[in-house]
Amino acid sequence: AQSVTQLDSHVSVSEGTPVLLRCNYSSSYSPSLFWYVQHPNKGLQLLLKYTSAATLVKGINGFEAEFKKSETSFHLTKPSAHMSDAAEYFCVVSDRGGGNKLTFGTGTQLKVEL
Amino acid sequence: EAGVVQSPRYKIIEKKQPVAFWCNPISGHNTLYWYLQNLGQGPELLIRYENEEAVDDSQLPKDRFSAERLKGVDSTLKIQPAELGDSAVYLCASSLGGRNEQFFGPGTRLTVL
Repeated sequence: AQSVTQLDSHVSVSEGTPVLLRCNYSSSYSPSLFWYVQHPNKGLQLLLKYTSAATLVKGINGFEAEFKKSETSFHLTKPSAHMSDAAEYFCVVSDRGGGNKLTFGTGTQLKVEL
Repeated sequence: EAGVVQSPRYKIIEKKQPVAFWCNPISGHNTLYWYLQNLGQGPELLIRYENEEAVDDSQLPKDRFSAERLKGVDSTLKIQPAELGDSAVYLCASSLGGRNEQFFGPGTRLTVL
């Protein structure tokens, strides 16, 4: 069985300050982990993915995430938030033995204020 | 390159009525997925197709939901009859093979009155 827990349903930051969105996972196999972003009325877009190569993964728009097996975490960070980053973010796990079945977290709504 | 196309984008129906959603995947993508996203939740897989074969439909409520992908390209998801609890966003995604990145469409937002 696989699952993810997103620890914050809402995060609010000021423009230009760092972003931290937290995610913990549970997986029976060596997992693949993803972060997706969902802007209003738009499709989910892949930000980055971890598939057992480097533990620090760089994605689009300046986001990155670090896979920490000992902590079963895959937190998403960005050094400096931009207004356009305001969206819903989903942490996702896929068991390598599960036929690419994606299990989504409940999402974190990121608000960026001036 | 066109992404995953879904229609309609919005649908409002009364309970007990039928409704259908259409999805056109990215050209060449043989794997197609339908997801259900309830308000405030992450998407949950309903069904996965490899070409025209449904290889995982364990989460599809088969008493009222049905899906088809007759020629292994476009797909239709149907609900008959719709219930109030079916109000949600229905997402379609596609991938090149079953182990590669999934690309999502914008979804169909269904409201059942």
